[in-house]
Amino acid sequence: KAGVTQTPRYLIKTRGQQVTLSCSPISGHRSVSWYQQTPGQGLQFLFEYFSETQRNKGNFPGRFSGRQFSNSRSEMNVSTLELGDSALYLCASSGTLGGEQYFGPGTRLTVT
Amino acid sequence: KNQVEQSPQSLIILEGKNCTLQCNYTVSPFSNLRWYKQDTGRGPVSLTIMTFSENTKSNGRYTATLDADTKQSSLHITASQLSDSASYICVVSAQTNDYKLSFGAGTTVTVRA
Repeated sequence: KAGVTQTPRYLIKTRGQQVTLSCSPISGHRSVSWYQQTPGQGLQFLFEYFSETQRNKGNFPGRFSGRQFSNSRSEMNVSTLELGDSALYLCASSGTLGGEQYFGPGTRLTVT
Repeated sequence: KNQVEQSPQSLIILEGKNCTLQCNYTVSPFSNLRWYKQDTGRGPVSLTIMTFSENTKSNGRYTATLDADTKQSSLHITASQLSDSASYICVVSAQTNDYKLSFGAGTTVTVRA
């Protein structure tokens, strides 16, 4: 079974731009969660989607948004990028709510 | 507030030696506790997942323990190898409608030859 895939793997943007990251969950998984990871903060929860509905949301500004499609693929968008948005963005899928999460390799975003 | 505290923040050990990582949590009501291994620049990979009734669970050279009464868990690495160099993250799930996860900051383990 193929694992969680994220695209792109690396991205460089400038301040003020917007970015869209994509995540394809493991086949059959309906839950997709997004996390931001920075060296000093560890893993920070962004949001979770289940069957196209946002179930949970972390404490991030409205510049961070996401959505999930009917095939469970998910996208995350960050608008008006700031230098502090530079991080590894991880996506994790799960077969059920609260079930074991399987992480993708992440997208390394650098904002200059 | 649900919190997960890990210690030490980092440690260095010699190849072949054992080490133990600690995780203390205040998450309530408790559902399960997970240990993940994260290699640099990669996504975390699950090592173990433990529920309330489980005290010990092993995955190869990794052994996790759980004391639900004291809300403490440990991850023991036996006969460390260079490939064990990674960050180890403790994650606790709450038994709530949204199964909220609380993440520890991780322990960075460096194994030296």
